[in-house]
Amino acid sequence: AIQMTQSPSSLSASVGDRVTITCRASQAIRSDLGWYQQKPGKAPKLLIHAASTLHSGVPSRFSGSGSGTAFTLTIVSLQPEDFATYYCLQDYAYPFTFGPGTKVDIK
Amino acid sequence: EVQLVDSGGGWVQPGGSLRLSCVASGFTLDSYDMNWVRQAPGKGLEWLSYIDPSGNNIDYADSVKGRFTISRDSAKTSLFLQMNSLRAEDTAVYYCATNAAYCRGDNCYSRFDYWGQGSLVTVSS
Repeated sequence: AIQMTQSPSSLSASVGDRVTITCRASQAIRSDLGWYQQKPGKAPKLLIHAASTLHSGVPSRFSGSGSGTAFTLTIVSLQPEDFATYYCLQDYAYPFTFGPGTKVDIK
Repeated sequence: EVQLVDSGGGWVQPGGSLRLSCVASGFTLDSYDMNWVRQAPGKGLEWLSYIDPSGNNIDYADSVKGRFTISRDSAKTSLFLQMNSLRAEDTAVYYCATNAAYCRGDNCYSRFDYWGQGSLVTVSS
């Protein structure tokens, strides 16, 4: 199975900060990667698919980039509602695999 | 309102069985790959299984292969996960999710766009 790693595992940031999260795959996965946001006690929400396509209704402060084995999720000007845990998911091959998550909390 | 509703969770002893259901409201599931994802307490997300619209293509994570069975109904509104030989490490919130997969040229991509609210399964003696 394809292994996914994320860094950092957690970070503290302030409202208005720019935040970058990295996801790496153990083998090349083209652009077959999504980013999901999860808040405590809630189901995950899709932010980005195909590595860089913003899902409908997601604010434009979120963006994704990368292909092959290295990907990034960037949040420009962090908002209070963005404090959450973020996961990448490779959908290149079954079994699909999530990264371990990055928790973004308030500094 | 478009939503997925998970149900069927509960407490079960190790070695026991449970059957989870996921029912669509406001839409039908016939055009979606369907997935199960779980989250153990305080842990990350784990993809478990998928089934395509025909029901003929299925896959599982190694952690549940041979113990869990995914299925969907012919009425195209429900998804199921039969869980047998349950272990303490299967304790988790289980989510169903639609995959609105699409293709651009030769490449196809996934979008887990609708999720159920989650159903808690506790395996304990």
